[in-house]
Amino acid sequence: EDQVTQSPEALRLQEGESSSLNCSYTVSGLRGLFWYRQDPGKGPEFLFTLYSAGEEKEKERLKATLTKKESFLHITAPKPEDSATYLCAVQADVGNAGNMLTFGGGTRLMVKP
Amino acid sequence: DAGVIQSPRHEVTEMGQEVTLRCKPISGHDYLFWYRQTMMRGLELLIYFNNNVPIDDSGMPEDRFSAKMPNASFSTLKIQPSEPRDSAVYFCASSLGLLEQFFGPGTRLTVL
Repeated sequence: EDQVTQSPEALRLQEGESSSLNCSYTVSGLRGLFWYRQDPGKGPEFLFTLYSAGEEKEKERLKATLTKKESFLHITAPKPEDSATYLCAVQADVGNAGNMLTFGGGTRLMVKP
Repeated sequence: DAGVIQSPRHEVTEMGQEVTLRCKPISGHDYLFWYRQTMMRGLELLIYFNNNVPIDDSGMPEDRFSAKMPNASFSTLKIQPSEPRDSAVYFCASSLGLLEQFFGPGTRLTVL
């Protein structure tokens, strides 16, 4: 069974204080690892897809990296508007029949000015 | 370009009533997913369709839940009869092939 564990559950940062969120996963063959951002009262918003160990993707103050067991979402010099819940999900490589995502519990990030 | 559209945005009903949630996926997408999100269990996949055909419904909690996709631009999730433990936010998402999924704004369901 695919499993995704995110840590920490909650993270408080001061504006400008860089940090990283962790996503550890167990999957029988990884097709892709996805990061989403979710604001209160809204649906998850797609950020990145990573496909292989060593891959990195960047968007503004966010950078996602991937190893064979975990992914990190690095936040550089965060601003209050980066406050949200960040969700990680894995997609297993099960051939053409599989397009399911298994989500982690999320990390709730709060950035104070 | 319109994203995934869900209706209603909020639904309050009494235990035992039938509830129907609606979703319009992004045009051209061939996969449609129904999720449920709660504080206790997080985001869970209930069922997904490929080209209007249900592929995996192993996440549907029980027979009270049913989902249909009569055409490429419309899907429904029905709960009959509803129970208080069904209270959650229900999301619909769509994707093109195996690429990233795009989520709708969700329907917040409260069953009294």
